[in-house]
Amino acid sequence: DGGITQSPKYLFRKEGQNVTLSCEQNLNHDAMYWYRQDPGQGLRLIYYSQIVNDFQKGDIAEGYSVSREKKESFPLTVTSAQKNPTAFYLCASSRGVENQPQHFGDGTRLSIL
Amino acid sequence: AQKVTQAQTEISVVEKEDVTLDCVYETRDTTYYLFWYKQPPSGELVFLIRRNSFDEQNEISGRYSWNFQKSTSSFNFTITASQVVDSAVYFCALSEAYAGNNRKLIWGLGTSLAVNP
Repeated sequence: DGGITQSPKYLFRKEGQNVTLSCEQNLNHDAMYWYRQDPGQGLRLIYYSQIVNDFQKGDIAEGYSVSREKKESFPLTVTSAQKNPTAFYLCASSRGVENQPQHFGDGTRLSIL
Repeated sequence: AQKVTQAQTEISVVEKEDVTLDCVYETRDTTYYLFWYKQPPSGELVFLIRRNSFDEQNEISGRYSWNFQKSTSSFNFTITASQVVDSAVYFCALSEAYAGNNRKLIWGLGTSLAVNP
């Protein structure tokens, strides 16, 4: 079945440590996105990518980095510069950036030890 | 500024009741799209509907229906004869122009619906 796979489901980070969240899709979608969700808040866009080897900052990119070396993969690194990383992270993809519905993975819950 | 407001933070109903989730938006765009997503307790967001600004016809899909009214900038979502499986957080979103022709989604804060047996 086509879909988006995020791993791991739960992740713990020590202070000063970088961690990478995985996102893989087999929907042949061009665009991919990373969102952060905090309790009681909507989704906030971290980064998005329209095509391979290209990505743009979203609203809250500070402390995060991404790469898009393959169409299927869009990993997100939460760096030590992100002072409040505890959140639920959602990856999504769509056929294109403009107005197409986004399809989401199951999410990764990141916590600080 | 573009904005999506879901005034109802939490709603609790008894199974088989009808329930309407409100969504009010603000935009200066003449062309825009509105979306509804469902987020069950498992966490994954599920796409429900997309509506463009030129199509004001109401839409029905099984027990779900949507009422789009440009005059009041609203895109409300009604669940008829609610079921326990409808318990979830529901998000309304608006697409806007961002960085040229690229559009991003503006999300409401969501409405948490609890359907009790």
